[in-house]
Amino acid sequence: DQQVKQNSPSLSVQEGRISILNCDYTNSMFDYFLWYKKYPAEGPTFLISISSIKDKNEDGRFTVFLNKSAKHLSLHIVPSQPGDSAVYFCAASENQGAQKLVFGQGTRLTINP
Amino acid sequence: DAGITQSPRHKVTETGTPVTLRCHQTENHRYMYWYRQDPGHGLRLIHYSYGVKDTDKGEVSDGYSVSRSKTEDFLLTLESATSSQTSVYFCAIGTSNEQFFGPGTRLTVL
Repeated sequence: DQQVKQNSPSLSVQEGRISILNCDYTNSMFDYFLWYKKYPAEGPTFLISISSIKDKNEDGRFTVFLNKSAKHLSLHIVPSQPGDSAVYFCAASENQGAQKLVFGQGTRLTINP
Repeated sequence: DAGITQSPRHKVTETGTPVTLRCHQTENHRYMYWYRQDPGHGLRLIHYSYGVKDTDKGEVSDGYSVSRSKTEDFLLTLESATSSQTSVYFCAIGTSNEQFFGPGTRLTVL
């Protein structure tokens, strides 16, 4: 049973526009969430995280929103740039830490010029 | 870079042979992890370690064992490789709030 789901395998966005990537989870014990970005033939790199005590966290062009009642989080990238083209994974964990992460399936984001 | 390397980067082996993948860190992080990445599944945790000789099973641990005799090294062993273990394997090291991933090992079991 997939506890973390990214239901969109791919997303295509025009350069300069907003990219919105979505993630849903089923385990109500999850209290810490992270987004990773992955280029081909490389390991995932950390982007941004959010604790369940918050509903929003920003870091430059990246903002993560958390809706605990809906068990849903989203990553907004504004403005989108060609270098943002990659696979994005959301991940979740318990105990307010980054141990034992459970990952979604990933969403391939393509930024078109 | 987080100072994490994996070896080998690519390996082709035959069914039934033993395989060991190595993860090496220079960051002195307490936590180390092994994941596998497969299409449609994202990354799934195989085993993890909270310190020297302190390891535990993850979500997909069957057919895998690990050892950590030194802080800097975390070994993943497939005792008898099967075709279902063809995958890309990632090691990660971590703090309490982040995990940093290595470049991955592509393993093909024929």
